[in-house]
This record gives sequence, structure tokens and C-alpha cells, in this order.
Amino acid sequence: DQQVKQNSPSLSVQEGRISILNCDYTNSMFDYFLWYKKYPAEGPTFLISISSIKDKNEDGRFTVFLNKSAKHLSLHIVPSQPGDSAVYFCAALRTRRALTFGSGTRLQVQP
Amino acid sequence: DTEVTQTPKHLVMGMTNKKSLKCEQHMGHRAMYWYKQKAKKPPELMFVYSYEKLSINESVPSRFSPECPNSSLLNLHLHALQPEDSALYLCASSQDWTGGLNYGYTFGSGTRLTVV
Repeated sequence: DQQVKQNSPSLSVQEGRISILNCDYTNSMFDYFLWYKKYPAEGPTFLISISSIKDKNEDGRFTVFLNKSAKHLSLHIVPSQPGDSAVYFCAALRTRRALTFGSGTRLQVQP
Repeated sequence: DTEVTQTPKHLVMGMTNKKSLKCEQHMGHRAMYWYKQKAKKPPELMFVYSYEKLSINESVPSRFSPECPNSSLLNLHLHALQPEDSALYLCASSQDWTGGLNYGYTFGSGTRLTVV
């Protein structure tokens, strides 16, 4: 039972444009949602998180939106840069449980 | 020090070997985790240690044996593995059991394990 889903395995965007990565979840008990970025041969790097009681969190070029009624969240990257090219994992967290990851979306930002 | 250090980075072992993976952090984090990641798949949780005690074992086969000797160190002992156990093994830590949400988990770079 995959509780966190990223239905787009890949996304290609032009440099300077907006990248939108989507994530859906099924468990309404999740308390927090996080986005991680992963380069090959490296561990995931934390990007941004959002509490389940909020609907938006912004950090520089990265903004995460949460729609609880739709059980959907998205990560917006504006403007996209070639260095943003990586695999992005959506993850969810419940109190006293470990992170549950989505399957990832490979973002390619074209110069 | 804001890193999680994993050694070795690469490991090739036979099915009859015994080896250990090591993970170390000096951030004062009290929760540590082992994840396994196969190619093109998300990381999957194996074990969680909270305050040096095993809190979660996600039905991992006994050929994987975790150990937390102290609050900074986490080991994963491997014995009689199968070729399908070949994967990237990731260690992570967090401030506490709820994850230290402002910063998320800190992951190491992983150990690429190949079982032959």
C-alpha cells in the first residue's frame, strides 16, 4: 500500500521557468510533509517542509502548497536552474513513525 | 558538524561473508535510521533507533542486524546476504523521534552494497 505517490516519474523544464512537482497521499494521519532532493550516489537532501495545519510554506525559490481536502501537495521552483536537475522525493511523517517516501520525480532543467 | 558519515561508500561481499556498515553523526540527534534503496525506487525504512533503543523493525530479515553502541553511532551487521539485497543503504538521523521538522532528516551518502 503506497501511502505517498508521485505519479510523474520525470519532468523537463526550461531554465528560468517554473517547475511544479506533484505528490498525493492517502493517509490523513500524516502530520508533516517534506521534499527531498537527491543527486546520484548521494543521500537525499532536505529541501522544505510543511505542517499539515498549513497550506503554504515558502523558502527562497521553493514553495510547497498543501491541499488537505484533496490530499495533494506540490513543490514549486521558481525560477528553475540547471543545478536543480535531480530526483525529487515527496515524503510524509507521522508522530512516532519514520518518513514514508514517494517514488520520486526526476527533474531536468534545460539551459 | 552537520553531516552523517557512512562507511564504506562501496562494498562487495559474497553470500557467506560477514560485514558491517557504519554510520556516525555528531549533531546530537537522538533518532537514527537505516533505509534501503533499490534502483529507481524510493528509500524504504528498515530500522529506527530512538535514544539508542530499537523502536521500529520493519520486518527486516534477520540476516540484517542493527546495533546502536552509543548516541552517535549506528551499525548494520550483514551476514549470509542474498544477491537481491544489493542496494544503496542509507543512514539518517533527526533531532528526535518526531523528526525535527524544521530541518528534516539528515541523510548520509549511503553505502552501495553488491552481493555476489
